[in-house]
Amino acid sequence: EAQVTQNPRYLITVTGKKLTVTCSQNMNHEYMSWYRQDPGLGLRQIYYSMNVEVTDKGDVPEGYKVSRKEKRNFPLILESPSPNQTSLYFCASSLMVGVTDTQYFGPGTRLTVL
Amino acid sequence: GDSVTQMEGPVTLSEEAFLTINCTYTATGYPSLFWYVQYPGEGLQLLLKATKADDKGSNKGFEATYRKETTSFHLEKGSVQVSDSAVYFCALSPHTGNQFYFGTGTSLTVIP
Repeated sequence: EAQVTQNPRYLITVTGKKLTVTCSQNMNHEYMSWYRQDPGLGLRQIYYSMNVEVTDKGDVPEGYKVSRKEKRNFPLILESPSPNQTSLYFCASSLMVGVTDTQYFGPGTRLTVL
Repeated sequence: GDSVTQMEGPVTLSEEAFLTINCTYTATGYPSLFWYVQYPGEGLQLLLKATKADDKGSNKGFEATYRKETTSFHLEKGSVQVSDSAVYFCALSPHTGNQFYFGTGTSLTVIP
């Protein structure tokens, strides 16, 4: 089954404790992206990647890191999480650079930073 | 910069009512426009899209027309069902560039 998977689905952590949210797709997609969803703000793009070893900042990259060492994986790293990073996070992928392509979303990771 | 503005929610309708969710955009050039739907507890799914002016996207009874003169991409459905209850997001992708911009989402509840 073609899908985007994220782990964990739920995470509660404390300020300053490094964490990684994994994202994997099995569709051989080139483009991958991370978003955060906050009430009243919709989805905002954090980082995106057009291909292996090619990443770029979205609208809200501060406090986040990403890497794209393999085509299928695009982990989101929070080196020192803070409470303002409490949010619902979505990973997405599309076959090509996303101008007209459909993005496929993972199920989301709900992160709480205490 | 590029952005999307969509109507505030929540919207509550009776089954079989007509639905319109307004979406306007700001972008240079000719962006591609999308409507995504998010059912409770799930990720977003593409509902429909349009890639050039005057294109009409349609899917599952929903329609939206890309109007460059009014910079709009309003979502419509003639007769909503309870199963259409979800959050709807308007989005754009600039003609040049690799980012996506989403609206704030409009929550729709359809009551029997």
